[in-house]
Amino acid sequence: EAGVVQSPRYKIIEKKQPVAFWCNPISGHNTLYWYLQNLGQGPELLIRYENEEAVDDSQLPKDRFSAERLKGVDSTLKIQPAELGDSAVYLCASSLGGYNEQFFGPGTRLTVL
Amino acid sequence: KNEVEQSPQNLTAQEGEFITINCSYSVGISALHWLQQHPGGGIVSLFMLSSGKKKHGRLIATINIQEKHSSLHITASHPRDSAVYICAVSFADGLTFGKGTHLIIQP
Repeated sequence: EAGVVQSPRYKIIEKKQPVAFWCNPISGHNTLYWYLQNLGQGPELLIRYENEEAVDDSQLPKDRFSAERLKGVDSTLKIQPAELGDSAVYLCASSLGGYNEQFFGPGTRLTVL
Repeated sequence: KNEVEQSPQNLTAQEGEFITINCSYSVGISALHWLQQHPGGGIVSLFMLSSGKKKHGRLIATINIQEKHSSLHITASHPRDSAVYICAVSFADGLTFGKGTHLIIQP
């Protein structure tokens, strides 16, 4: 069975440009997470979806970040415009919800120049 | 908010050594996870435990709920064990992660 799929794996953009990341969770996993991981730090939650509903987006910088999970399966995370400080790894994870184990994708490494 | 502290932050050891990584947290939890992250790679779950001890191959994880402390041990360490090991705790608001321990095993 395929794991969590993310694309692209790497992205380099100039500041003020828009960027989007895509995540395909494990089939049947209704809960989807987007995390941000800075170098040398643990992941930090940006947003959590239960099916198509964003149930926790308190840590998402809404002035420039947006996310959607229209059909409750794939999800897209967007940054517009990107800033230098957005350089990080963006991780997607999925689970069956509750306290079930989360499965992580390979991440997208974003570099903003 | 749950605080998760890991130690050491960095650890370099020789092949074959017994490795211990520690994790402590501040608030009661439902489960604790040990995760492994290789350079440029995603995160892989090693253990999820809520009490006692679990063993998988050369890896052993223990948790003491009363002391709010967990340890990850690696026996007969090997260069392929080189990675970042992350402790994460589950509680009401989701997962909170430690900063990770960067382990390097030299041949």
